[in-house]
Order: sequence, then C-alpha cells, then structure tokens
Amino acid sequence: NAGVTQTPKFRVLKTGQSMTLLCAQDMNHEYMYWYRQDPGMGLRLIHYSVGEGTTAKGEVPDGYNVSRLKKQNFLLGLESAAPSQTSVYFCASRDGDYGYTFGSGTRLTVV
Amino acid sequence: SQKIEQNSEALNIQEGKTATLTCNYTNYSPAYLQWYRQDPGRGPVFLLLIRENEKEKRKERLKVTFDTTLKQSLFHITASQPADSATYLCALPANQAGTALIFGKGTTLSVSS
Repeated sequence: NAGVTQTPKFRVLKTGQSMTLLCAQDMNHEYMYWYRQDPGMGLRLIHYSVGEGTTAKGEVPDGYNVSRLKKQNFLLGLESAAPSQTSVYFCASRDGDYGYTFGSGTRLTVV
Repeated sequence: SQKIEQNSEALNIQEGKTATLTCNYTNYSPAYLQWYRQDPGRGPVFLLLIRENEKEKRKERLKVTFDTTLKQSLFHITASQPADSATYLCALPANQAGTALIFGKGTTLSVSS
C-alpha cells in the first residue's frame, strides 16, 4: 500500500517552460488536492477534485491547470512556468471527513 | 473566508514537559478541526481530528481541545521527547461544505534533552 505517490520529486525549469506533476493514490479516495508550501506562507490550496472528472479552484489557482481523468490520478500542469511558482508542491487525498494523506512533495525551482 | 492563526511560530521546551500549541480561527465555527505533524522535507502527517461537539480528544500522549466559544483549539503533547520536535499544523474546512481544508502556518516545536 503506497498511499500517495508524487512524481517527480525534484525539477528545475526555465521560465516559460511547461511541465506536469503527477499524483497517484491507491486508497480509492474520492477527494484529491494540490497545495503549494512556501516559507512564511504555509500550505495554500491550488486546485482540488471531489471525484473523477471534477475539478475546482482553490485559493491560488492562477497559472495552474488540473485534470482528474481517472479516480486514482490527479495531474497539476504549469503551462508557462514563472519564478513565482518556485515552491514545494504537495498532493493529498482523503475519504470522508477523515485526515488527509499527503505525498512526499515535489520541489520545483523555476529559473 | 475562514482564517487560521497559530500564534507561536516557534516553541522551545525541555524534555518531559508538556507542550501546548494554540490554534485560533476567525469566522464560523467549523464542523471539525484537525492537527498534523510535518518533519523537514516531508509531507504533513495527520494526527487527530476533533468535531465541534467534542470538547476533548486524546491519542497516546496527545490531547486536543476545541472551544467553539473562544474559537480556539489547544494541542498538548505530554511528557515531550526530542523525537516530538517538528512543525505542527492546525487545519479546518475552508467552507461550510467542507470540501477542502485550509492550514495554519504552523508552530515549530523543539524539545531539548
């Protein structure tokens, strides 16, 4: 039982490049989330999904897109990376009102 | 919108003492509140959930209280150990529907031996 797996773990992008972060969970959870964590800012919600085929905007959605084509996967896309998107990205999933299960994070640097 | 304040960025205590961390929220009383632990370079790990009709919840050396009048939750670690050193995050529903959580900025606890 792997829980929540994020790939890649580290990535350096040049300004303007695009990339996709992959989140996979094997717990059959309905809800999935993407957060970013920056020093002094805490965890901020980017986008989330309440089920397969659904997505919704969180607190800081600009510059990101998401897709949930399969229940177990939640993809986060950056179409044109900017230095302000340098951050640690965490994916999480949950079932019901219980606690979230987080992945180990993706450390992204945009230069 | 709901806002969370964890009013201590850092807390330093001696081994064996009780650590008390505070979480305050500003708007409507949430249906539940959660606490997480985060170690450097790792994702947060869920510790406890307390519902609005529960005054107190315990798990081993951890105790959480929830006071909807004060709009506050207290998180206690008794008989603290150096291994308890980490950042502790408070979280609660971002909206009445409870579809997502918002997190406080966390309190970093350091337990010295």
